[in-house]
Amino acid sequence: DQQVKQNSPSLSVQEGRISILNCDYTNSMFDYFLWYKKYPAEGPTFLISISSIKDKNEDGRFTVFLNKSAKHLSLHIVPSQPGDSAVYFCAASAGANNLFFGTGTRLTVIP
Amino acid sequence: KAGVTQTPRYLIKTRGQQVTLSCSPISGHRSVSWYQQTPGQGLQFLFEYFSETQRNKGNFPGRFSGRQFSNSRSEMNVSTLELGDSALYLCASRLQAYNQDTQYFGPGTRLTVL
Repeated sequence: DQQVKQNSPSLSVQEGRISILNCDYTNSMFDYFLWYKKYPAEGPTFLISISSIKDKNEDGRFTVFLNKSAKHLSLHIVPSQPGDSAVYFCAASAGANNLFFGTGTRLTVIP
Repeated sequence: KAGVTQTPRYLIKTRGQQVTLSCSPISGHRSVSWYQQTPGQGLQFLFEYFSETQRNKGNFPGRFSGRQFSNSRSEMNVSTLELGDSALYLCASRLQAYNQDTQYFGPGTRLTVL
């Protein structure tokens, strides 16, 4: 059973606009959440993370929001750039255990 | 500092054969995890090794096994290959095995089973 879900397989956004990628989870024990970006023929690259004690974490153009009551997190990219085009995975873990990944969302930023 | 390296990058095998994949973590990292990525399934956790001991295991059959050496390098073995084992196999290393230790991924090994 998929404990981390990304229901949008793809997303297209104009350059300069905001990209919003969404992720839902089912396990209430998850306390650490991450976003990874993956280019073709490369491994996933860590982007940003958030602990369950926070509801927002920001790093430059990237902001992750966590809504624990809704078991939902989102990644905002502002402004979106063509180089942001990649597959984005959200992941979650409970304690020091393994990561559970979503199935990914392919973001295409149109110049 | 060099990143996570995986060898080989590509492999083609036939059903029934076995395969061994190798992963060298970032220098100083003691934890290595393995993941299988297939279309539509995302990344599925296989196992994690820390200080040569398997500390966590995912829901995969016993045909999938691994080990870690004293220098933290890790190998993953798949015996009696099946067509469904065709996937991208990723390894990731982290400094320790704490909750908020970020995992850094290698480029993966693309395994094709014919």
